[in-house]
Amino acid sequence: ETGVTQSPTHLIKTRGQQVTLRCSSQSGHNTVSWYQQALGQGPQFIFQYYREEENGRGNFPPRFSGLQFPNYSSELNVNALELDDSALYLCASTLTGWPGELFFGEGSRLTVL
Amino acid sequence: DQQVKQNSPSLSVQEGRISILNCDYTNSMFDYFLWYKKYPAEGPTFLISISSIKDKNEDGRFTVFLNKSAKHLSLHIVPSQPGDSAVYFCAATRSNFGNEKLTFGTGTRLTIIP
Repeated sequence: ETGVTQSPTHLIKTRGQQVTLRCSSQSGHNTVSWYQQALGQGPQFIFQYYREEENGRGNFPPRFSGLQFPNYSSELNVNALELDDSALYLCASTLTGWPGELFFGEGSRLTVL
Repeated sequence: DQQVKQNSPSLSVQEGRISILNCDYTNSMFDYFLWYKKYPAEGPTFLISISSIKDKNEDGRFTVFLNKSAKHLSLHIVPSQPGDSAVYFCAATRSNFGNEKLTFGTGTRLTIIP
């Protein structure tokens, strides 16, 4: 059973650029969530995808967008990067149906200069 | 608006003693609570959870207590071991919300002193 994998692990961008982060969910999991963890903070919910549709969104602007593919993998896209977007981006997967735990990947650390 | 609060950024405990991590929440709609542990360079890993219909849940060395009237939960680790040194996040959710959105606290860094 493979866990949640994310790529890239680290990347550096400049203000105004665009970034795409990728996530492969744990085998058998059909729901993917993305979280942003700024330094010294807890993870903050960005959005969740189920059956390729967005299923809930946190307090993030529209320049944060996502996709889920038929194999349940997912992408997070951020346009017009700002300095405050520097953070660890965590992907988590689960089988839909609550209660249940989320299985997190190691994260992608984004630095915006 | 911080709906889940962990007021102690750090905690040091002697090996073998009890570690108590605290968490408060403000949203009365939350009815399911979880604790996650995070090591450096790794994603958070699930530790233990509790539904609001219970006031205690135990799993080995880990016990979570929930006081709904005070909107407070705590995680007890006994006995504490060096491998327990990590950042612990409290999280809360609404089980009937339709998605698995978790609201996290800011974390408590636990250091176990050998």
